[in-house]
Amino acid sequence: KAGVTQTPRYLIKTRGQQVTLSCSPISGHRSVSWYQQTPGQGLQFLFEYFSETQRNKGNFPGRFSGRQFSNSRSEMNVSTLELGDSALYLCASSLVSGRGTGELFFGEGSRLTVL
Amino acid sequence: AQTVTQSQPEMSVQEAETVTLSCTYDTSESDYYLFWYKQPPSRQMILVIRQEAYKQQNATENRFSVNFQKAAKSFSLKISDSQLGDAAMYFCALGNSGAGSYQLTFGKGTKLSVIP
Repeated sequence: KAGVTQTPRYLIKTRGQQVTLSCSPISGHRSVSWYQQTPGQGLQFLFEYFSETQRNKGNFPGRFSGRQFSNSRSEMNVSTLELGDSALYLCASSLVSGRGTGELFFGEGSRLTVL
Repeated sequence: AQTVTQSQPEMSVQEAETVTLSCTYDTSESDYYLFWYKQPPSRQMILVIRQEAYKQQNATENRFSVNFQKAAKSFSLKISDSQLGDAAMYFCALGNSGAGSYQLTFGKGTKLSVIP
């Protein structure tokens, strides 16, 4: 079974631009979460989607948004990029069951550099 | 708010020896899960071990085991017979139970070096 796939793996943008990152979850996984990883702040939760609905959202400004499609694939978008948005963005998928285990399966991440 | 604290930013261990990574957490929930994730230099995070809070027995996965002290809100990871491939960042994480929540709170991580 294929793992979580994130594209692109690396990208460079300049301040003020916007970026869209894509995530394909493991087949059968309907929950997709996004995390931002930086050396200073560590791993911070951005948002989680299930069945095309955002269930949870972390403490990030409105410039960060996301969506999920009917095939469970997800995208996140960051508008008006700032230098501080440089980070590794990790996508994770989960198999939703009656008693959620919370176990996340991570992709390799998208490394965003903002110049 | 939930918090997870890893007080050891870096640790090292001799190959074949045993090392323990510390983690403390805080939550108001009575039913939750605790995890240790490993992030090798290639960056993909993988699950090392999982503990359900309602289970008193400590989880074990081959060379990896945990010491779960619910009252003290402590969740340490013991790696036995350390191998070079164990070198990585290790993250302790806390998640709520129930079908509606897949948001994990992570600690800042412990960088483990394995000395040959």
